[in-house]
Amino acid sequence: DGGITQSPKYLFRKEGQNVTLSCEQNLNHDAMYWYRQDPGQGLRLIYYSQIVNDFQKGDIAEGYSVSREKKESFPLTVTSAQKNPTAFYLCASKRDRANTGELFFGEGSRLTVL
Amino acid sequence: GIQVEQSPPDLILQEGANSTLRCNFSDSVNNLQWFHQNPWGQLINLFYIPSGTKQNGRLSATTVATERYSLLYISSSQTTDSGVYFCAVVTDSWGKLQFGAGTQVVVTP
Repeated sequence: DGGITQSPKYLFRKEGQNVTLSCEQNLNHDAMYWYRQDPGQGLRLIYYSQIVNDFQKGDIAEGYSVSREKKESFPLTVTSAQKNPTAFYLCASKRDRANTGELFFGEGSRLTVL
Repeated sequence: GIQVEQSPPDLILQEGANSTLRCNFSDSVNNLQWFHQNPWGQLINLFYIPSGTKQNGRLSATTVATERYSLLYISSSQTTDSGVYFCAVVTDSWGKLQFGAGTQVVVTP
C-alpha cells in the first residue's frame, strides 16, 4: 500500500541527546514537510523540501536539522539545541512543488525528553 | 503572515445532531484543506477544497474564497466523529500549509 511511514511511533530521550525521526514515503511525491504539534495546539512547520538535496527552514527550525538525499526519505534530527523538544512530530508529503495539491500525513512520532 | 481562525474552539454534540464548523482566513489562498485528528493523533484528510462545495457521506464543505471563509458541515453526528478538526491554508508558492488552532468536537451517546 502507498503511504507515509514514520518511525519510531514513541521515543524517549535524555536531555542533551540528539535523536533522529524517520519519514519514508512510497507515493513518489516531490515535496515533503515536517510539522510539530504541542498539546491543544495546531501544527507548526519545522522544515520542508521541494526536491532532492534541497530543503528550507519553516517557522520553527531552530534546534532541528534535516536531509533529503533520496526522494522517498526526509529524516528529522532533533538536536540538543532544541530547548523544548517534547512534542508530537508529523511528517507530510505532496505530489509536486506547486502551491496547489493535497497534503498527506504520516501517523506521527511522539518524542518525550526525560 | 496569514491568520487562520477556527470557530467554535469547542463543540459538544449529542449523537444524531448536526453542526457547522467555520474557518476564516485573512488573505487570499491557493489551497485549503480540512483534516480530522483522531484520539490517536492521526490526521485524516477530509476535504481538499480551495473553492466550491464538496460532499463525502455525512460530511460536506464549502469554501467561499472571495469572502475568505470555509465551512465544514457534520450531519447526523456519530461518536466516531469526536476529535479535533483542523482547517489549513496555503498562501505562498512553496505549498506550505498554515493551520488554524482547531475545533475540538465531542459527540456523546
